[in-house]
Amino acid sequence: DQQVKQNSPSLSVQEGRISILNCDYTNSMFDYFLWYKKYPAEGPTFLISISSIKDKNEDGRFTVFLNKSAKHLSLHIVPSQPGDSAVYFCAASAIGNQFYFGTGTSLTVIP
Amino acid sequence: DVKVTQSSRYLVKRTGEKVFLECVQDMDHENMFWYRQDPGLGLRLIYFSYDVKMKEKGDIPEGYSVSREKKERFSLILESASTNQTSMYLCATDTGGGGELFFGEGSRLTVL
Repeated sequence: DQQVKQNSPSLSVQEGRISILNCDYTNSMFDYFLWYKKYPAEGPTFLISISSIKDKNEDGRFTVFLNKSAKHLSLHIVPSQPGDSAVYFCAASAIGNQFYFGTGTSLTVIP
Repeated sequence: DVKVTQSSRYLVKRTGEKVFLECVQDMDHENMFWYRQDPGLGLRLIYFSYDVKMKEKGDIPEGYSVSREKKERFSLILESASTNQTSMYLCATDTGGGGELFFGEGSRLTVL
């Protein structure tokens, strides 16, 4: 049973606009969340994290929001750039335990 | 910077062959992981190891085994490859103290 879900397999956004990628989880014990970016034929690269004691974390153009009551997190990319086109995975864990990954969202940023 | 190196980027094997995928990390991390990535399924954990000679099954261990004889090296073994093991295989490490996973470049395995 999928404990972490990314319900949008794909997303297209115009360059310069905001990209919003969503992720839902079912396990209330999860307290640490990650976002990864993956280009074809490469390994995932870490983007940003958030722990359950926070509801927002920013790093440059990337912001992650966590809504614990809704068991939902989202990644905002502002402004979106063509180089952001990739597959984005969210991952969740209860600290000290394995990470569970979502199925990924393929983002296309249109120049 | 953490470096996770996977020995083969692309492999083509025949059904029934034995396949070794090797992973080496240079940061003295305790934990090492093997995932496979398939379209529509995300990343799924096959096996992981918290220490030398120690291994734990992940969510999809069937058809795989692992070996960790040295701290820096974690090998994934397919004893008898099958076509449904065609996939992208990803090795990862972490420090064990809570934090992100560091991934290798991946090994694309095709089983004919």
